Amino acid sequence: NAGVMQNPRHLVRRRGQEARLRCSPMKGHSHVYWYRQLPEEGLKFMVYLQKENIIDESGMPKERFSAEFPKEGPSILRIQQVVRGDSAAYFCASSPLAGGPGSYNEQFFGPGTRLTVL
Amino acid sequence: QKEVEQDPGPLSVPEGAIVSLNCTYSNSAFQYFMWYRQYSRKGPELLMYTYSSGNKEDGRFTAQVDKSSKYISLFIRDSQPSDSATYLCAMISEAAGNKLTFGGGTRVLVKP
Repeated sequence: NAGVMQNPRHLVRRRGQEARLRCSPMKGHSHVYWYRQLPEEGLKFMVYLQKENIIDESGMPKERFSAEFPKEGPSILRIQQVVRGDSAAYFCASSPLAGGPGSYNEQFFGPGTRLTVL
Repeated sequence: QKEVEQDPGPLSVPEGAIVSLNCTYSNSAFQYFMWYRQYSRKGPELLMYTYSSGNKEDGRFTAQVDKSSKYISLFIRDSQPSDSATYLCAMISEAAGNKLTFGGGTRVLVKP
């Protein structure tokens, strides 16, 4: 049973270009989360999606960032007109269900995509 | 002020020693408390989670939660060089949904 897959593992972009990061959740998982890890910092929540729905985007920067999780295919995190401050590791996690009262559904993390903006 | 504070370390211990890690938090709505281990250039993996206050033991790992003090701990007994990694605490508030709020992580180095 393959884990969460992310590609590319490393991505280099010049300022002003677009970055597309892909995440394939574990088999049977319909909930996807994106987190960003800046150098020497912990992970910060960005967005939570279910198939064809954005559930919580409270951690997404207001401009240039968008995310989708279509009915078919991987979840995509898109960063338009990248700037040097976007350089970070972006992690995707998936879970089979959302958390509910008295229960926690473990989020399984992928290996991350390391974005470098030149 | 960050919602979750964690000493970045590094914490260096000899093999076989007890590793003691902790986090403090400010949001009293947090109910689930997790510890993740992250090796260099890898994604985090869940070690343990605890719901509300109390202790939980799993093999060499013990997690403690003191909600009255807003303080959580992880102890690793009989530490091994393979335990060298960054340890991240994380928390969830049911009211805020399933998103994890992480501490900054503590680097641990277990020397043979």
